[in-house]
Amino acid sequence: AQSVTQLDSHVSVSEGTPVLLRCNYSSSYSPSLFWYVQHPNKGLQLLLKYTSAATLVKGINGFEAEFKKSETSFHLTKPSAHMSDAAEYFCVVRGSSNTGKLIFGQGTTLQVKP
Amino acid sequence: GAVVSQHPSWVICKSGTSVKIECRSLDFQATTMFWYRQFPKQSLMLMATSNEGSKATYEQGVEKDKFLINHASLTLSTLTVTSAHPEDSSFYICSARDQGGLETQYFGPGTRLLVL
Repeated sequence: AQSVTQLDSHVSVSEGTPVLLRCNYSSSYSPSLFWYVQHPNKGLQLLLKYTSAATLVKGINGFEAEFKKSETSFHLTKPSAHMSDAAEYFCVVRGSSNTGKLIFGQGTTLQVKP
Repeated sequence: GAVVSQHPSWVICKSGTSVKIECRSLDFQATTMFWYRQFPKQSLMLMATSNEGSKATYEQGVEKDKFLINHASLTLSTLTVTSAHPEDSSFYICSARDQGGLETQYFGPGTRLLVL
């Protein structure tokens, strides 16, 4: 079965400093992985996705993630945090069935301090 | 880009009443839509998978008679919370799967339900 574990429930950074949100996955086959962002009381927005192409995936708003099979990781990074990046971030893996079910991590709250 | 809308964005109702939430894919066809529930400060929990023209598939522990799902067209799925109770108060989010080969789900903005 597929699963994802977000290693930090809360991350706090200062504006202008790098962001690292950690995610490990478990999958019996080559997974499809996603990062979504959710601002307060809003729906989810896709940041980026990995679907067995390039291991370094670039997303929107300067975010990127690297798929590392040897470490079963898919960490999300950004070189310089902006105040508007403060939100909840979800690492997601697609399930094995043909329905395309998504399995969500527990979420990481990113706080950006001025 | 692909846009999914939900209506209403929020609703307050009395205990015992039923509430219908609509999920629409605005610029693409979605044979499959998904309904999630999110409690405060928690992750999304998949409730059911809605397939156009057929019965929905419910996740374990989700009461199908309480959460009625209808997917009557390629752009519309509805979730009806029947005989709502305060414990049904939650944030309900739908998503629609793009069948254009990208296999990406696009999420609606969510509906906040408060049952008094």
